[in-house]
Amino acid sequence: DAKTTQPTSMDCAEGRAANLPCNHSTISGNEYVYWYRQIHSQGPQYIIHGLKNNETNEMASLIITEDRKSSTLILPHATLRDTAVYYCIVRTLGDDKIIFGKGTRLHILP
Amino acid sequence: KAGVTQTPRYLIKTRGQQVTLSCSPISGHRSVSWYQQTPGQGLQFLFEYFSETQRNKGNFPGRFSGRQFSNSRSEMNVSTLELGDSALYLCASSLDKSYEQYFGPGTRLTVT
Repeated sequence: DAKTTQPTSMDCAEGRAANLPCNHSTISGNEYVYWYRQIHSQGPQYIIHGLKNNETNEMASLIITEDRKSSTLILPHATLRDTAVYYCIVRTLGDDKIIFGKGTRLHILP
Repeated sequence: KAGVTQTPRYLIKTRGQQVTLSCSPISGHRSVSWYQQTPGQGLQFLFEYFSETQRNKGNFPGRFSGRQFSNSRSEMNVSTLELGDSALYLCASSLDKSYEQYFGPGTRLTVT
């Protein structure tokens, strides 16, 4: 079973920051938080991952709370092409499989 | 660098038949994982191969099998197809465990 809880869906206005929350209250010390997204009819796309420090790359920022029980993925300037299902995943270092939950369906509104 | 490629992209088969799907990983990636995606069950892990050896397997019946070749290309086979096997089959490659996985576009299998 997935070890994360995410809202089923969210809306965000184009050009605004999209903040996607994820709860992972049972995360253990050696588990990383990963984010993937899946645009309709395509394979999932890796976005970002982190252990306990905040991370930023060209696609997004990942904010992990100090207790590591929740995190937020931030898309700083959402565009219509960011409409997708976003998956938050916890994964143990050395684990070669990804357990996906239901994800959050993000709608970017023009 | 080319991404993960999967062939064929679409396939229609009849119940009882078997099917073989192919995956070519990103150059230099030695780990290949397979996933099944259905509307009801979502994305589910099938198995993972590294250096021609299956390292991990999900909870699927023995009708689902796979293999990996010395060039890291992988195939998965489903025998005695059932209607419930209709799904999007996704392949993902990575350098090794713990590295991010990069997914292909998938093969959409329809069983009639």
